[in-house]
Amino acid sequence: ETGVTQTPRHLVMGMTNKKSLKCEQHLGHNAMYWYKQSAKKPLELMFVYSLEERVENNSVPSRFSPECPNSSHLFLHLHTLQPEDSALYLCASSQDLLAAYEQYFGPGTRLTVT
Amino acid sequence: AQKITQTQPGMFVQEKEAVTLDCTYDTSDPSYGLFWYKQPSSGEMIFLIYQGSYDQQNATEGRYSLNFQKARKSANLVISASQLGDSAMYFCAMRGASGYSTLTFGKGTMLLVSP
Repeated sequence: ETGVTQTPRHLVMGMTNKKSLKCEQHLGHNAMYWYKQSAKKPLELMFVYSLEERVENNSVPSRFSPECPNSSHLFLHLHTLQPEDSALYLCASSQDLLAAYEQYFGPGTRLTVT
Repeated sequence: AQKITQTQPGMFVQEKEAVTLDCTYDTSDPSYGLFWYKQPSSGEMIFLIYQGSYDQQNATEGRYSLNFQKARKSANLVISASQLGDSAMYFCAMRGASGYSTLTFGKGTMLLVSP
C-alpha cells in the first residue's frame, strides 16, 4: 500500500450506532488531519495531530472522537451521530505541521447517517 | 481569518482548449501559501500546484499554471490543452502563517471537459 488509505470507503449507520473510521499513511509523515466535506460546503478541518498529539480541534461535537495511536494511524470514532453528519470524511497527512507543502489525502469515507 | 472564494460553481471546456478557474483569497498574514487540488468522482484530493506568497514567478506544473496576482489577491488555475480526464472538482486552498499547515478551502469548481 502506498500513500494514504482509508477504510471503510462507504458506511451507513443508524443514529444509535458506534463505528470507527480508519486512516493509515505510508509516507513517513508526522502530521495527520481529519476533514469533513459536506455537499456544497468547503472542506472543514476537524482535527490535527502532530506526532500523535492533538494540536487542533475545530469546535467539533463530542460525538466525533479522534484517536492517533502512532504517527501512521488515525481513527475517528463515531457515536450517536445526526443525519447532518452525513458527508465525505477525508484524512490527510503532511511531512510535519510547519511544512509549507502539500497535504496528501486519502480517498475518503462516504458516511450516511440514517 | 482566511477566506477563499471560488465564484464559478461549474465550467465547461472542450478537449484541447485551455481553461481558467478563478480563485480569490483574503488574509491578513504577510506570508501564506496557495494550493490547488483536484477531486475526481472517486473522492481523493489530488495536489496539483503550490504558490508561495513571496515566490517571484508564477508556479507551473506540466499543463497546470497558477496565475498569481498578489495585489488583486487572486490565484487562478490555468489548465492548458484540457483532457477528458481533467473532468473533476477543483479546489483552491490557502495555508496561513499560523505555524500549522492547516488549509482553508474554497467551495470548489466543477470542470467538465467535452470531446
